[in-house]
Amino acid sequence: EVQLVESGGGLVQPGGSLRLSCAASGFTFSNSWMAWVRQAPGKGPEWVANIKPDGSEKYYVDSVKGRFTISRDNANNSLFLQMNSLRAEDTAVYYCIVAPRWGQGTLVTVSS
Amino acid sequence: DFVMTQSPDSLAVSLGERATINCKSSQSVLYSFNNKNSLAWYQQKPGQPPRLLIYWASTRESGVPDRFSGSGSGTDFTLTISSLQAEDVAVYYCHQYYSGLTFGGGTKVEIK
Repeated sequence: EVQLVESGGGLVQPGGSLRLSCAASGFTFSNSWMAWVRQAPGKGPEWVANIKPDGSEKYYVDSVKGRFTISRDNANNSLFLQMNSLRAEDTAVYYCIVAPRWGQGTLVTVSS
Repeated sequence: DFVMTQSPDSLAVSLGERATINCKSSQSVLYSFNNKNSLAWYQQKPGQPPRLLIYWASTRESGVPDRFSGSGSGTDFTLTISSLQAEDVAVYYCHQYYSGLTFGGGTKVEIK
């Protein structure tokens, strides 16, 4: 059974940083495209970033380019999202995804 | 870029009646590798993460009641709830995972 467990969310001030982690199990992580998707309060899901199985290609939504970095550790079946220069509009639940399956999400709140 | 257009935005159906939600993709999501459509449907209730209902356009996720069914191919897809139950009140999203991840705008299903 696919399991994706996110961690690392929390309350952070504007301009601050957070690093999200996702522990994956139940599938061949090293062969899988992985992604982060977020959902702001009262809004629909929004793709944030994805990464090729070997980590050689990474793609980002325009609104996070230059601020967020997706990475992975295939030896430990883990996915990461480093988020810098956070803004109020980044407030959302962030989900780790191996399409079409999702984790339970971790809440990021950017507020002073 | 893929655009997923869901209709209607909201839907009120009597208990026991059929609910039908449509999703149109701007490009085909048919994956030639396995001749399957990379299209999923999710149900989301307030305060909960999205729940996977259907993937590969018509494959029901384990544990999902058989009143939920998915159909369609290429660019046009449908989620049908054959006999609406009170617990089906939720927002439903379609999602393509053929190229990156793109989501429909959601359909709110209510009881008439």
